[in-house]
Amino acid sequence: AIRMTQSPSSLSASTGDRVTITCRASQGISSYLAWYQQKPGKAPKLLIYAASTLQSGVPSRFSGSGSGTDFTLTISCLQSEDFATYYCQQYYSYPPTFGPGTKVDIK
Amino acid sequence: EVQLVESGGGLVKPGGSLRLSCAASGFTFSSYSMNWVRQAPGKGLEWVSSISSSSSYIYYADSVKGRFTISRDNAKNSLYLQMNSLRAEDTAVYYCAGVVPAAMGDWFDPWGQGTLVTVSS
Repeated sequence: AIRMTQSPSSLSASTGDRVTITCRASQGISSYLAWYQQKPGKAPKLLIYAASTLQSGVPSRFSGSGSGTDFTLTISCLQSEDFATYYCQQYYSYPPTFGPGTKVDIK
Repeated sequence: EVQLVESGGGLVKPGGSLRLSCAASGFTFSSYSMNWVRQAPGKGLEWVSSISSSSSYIYYADSVKGRFTISRDNAKNSLYLQMNSLRAEDTAVYYCAGVVPAAMGDWFDPWGQGTLVTVSS
């Protein structure tokens, strides 16, 4: 199975900050990567697929980039509703695998 | 409104069985491949199983292979997960999640709200 790692595991930030989360795959996955946001007690929400395609309805302050093994999720101007945990997921090959998550909390 | 609603979770003893259901509405369920994804308390997301739109293709995580069975009834817009020989490590919130038809890959959207399965004596 392809192993996904994320860094950092957690970060503290303030509203208005630019935040970048990194996801790395244990082997090349082209652009077969998705990003999800999860708030406590809620289901994950799809933000980005195909590494950089914004899901309909997701604010444009979210963006994704990368291909191969290294990917980033950027939140350009953090809003209060963005404090959550973020997961990457590869769908290049079965089984689909998720990163361990990055928790973004308030500084 | 697109909606997935899971049910059937609860407390079960080790070695016991449980059947989860996921009721779909607001979209053409029969066109979507469907998945179960779980999340142990305080932990990350783990894919469990998937089934294609016509049930032709079924996959399982190694951790549940031989114990769990995924199925669907397109006439009832429903997805199921039969869980046997349950272990403490199966304790988790179980989410059903769909994959958009003709998507160039298995990213998950929509998601249900989840149902909690607790395996404990």
